[in-house]
Amino acid sequence: AQKVTQAQTEISVVEKEDVTLDCVYETRDTTYYLFWYKQPPSGELVFLIRRNSFDEQNEISGRYSWNFQKSTSSFNFTITASQVVDSAVYFCALSDRGGNEKLTFGTGTRLTIIP
Amino acid sequence: GAVVSQHPSRVICKSGTSVKIECRSLDFQATTMFWYRQFPKQSLMLMATSNEGSKATYEQGVEKDKFLINHASLTLSTLTVTSAHPEDSSFYICSARSPTGYNEQFFGPGTRLTVL
Repeated sequence: AQKVTQAQTEISVVEKEDVTLDCVYETRDTTYYLFWYKQPPSGELVFLIRRNSFDEQNEISGRYSWNFQKSTSSFNFTITASQVVDSAVYFCALSDRGGNEKLTFGTGTRLTIIP
Repeated sequence: GAVVSQHPSRVICKSGTSVKIECRSLDFQATTMFWYRQFPKQSLMLMATSNEGSKATYEQGVEKDKFLINHASLTLSTLTVTSAHPEDSSFYICSARSPTGYNEQFFGPGTRLTVL
């Protein structure tokens, strides 16, 4: 069975600070995908990144960066120089490559950026 | 591109009535759509996988007779909550799988259902 753990339920940081959101996953599949989504107060999920299990390169996109480490089954997300607009709930998710490729979500981390 | 819409965005109904929620992929064809349920301050739980032209596949514990899913076209899937009760009040979110084959799902804005 697949499982995604986001141990941090809520995080608050002051604007311009860096913040890292942790994600640990469990799967028996050798091929899988990892995702991060942002859910602002409006409720709509915003796709941030997809990473497949064979690509362990870290990725940077503007102020966002992701660290994928298969050895520790982790896919952590760092926001550099946080802004108030980054306040949201962030979900890490895992998908296999089975027939329907359904997503298993973590419980989410509520990030609050204090101005 | 890859926009998914849901209608209605909010619905309030009386206990015992049925409610239909529509999920549309606006600029792409989606052979597979997914329906999720999210309780306040909780994660998204997959309810069912909707495949165009065939019966939906429901997750364990989800009552198929209560949550009717129809995927009649490549751009539309509907979720009908039958004989709704207050415990069905939740945020329902659909997603459509990207046609690019990169296993990316695009999510609709969600429908907040309140059953009185």
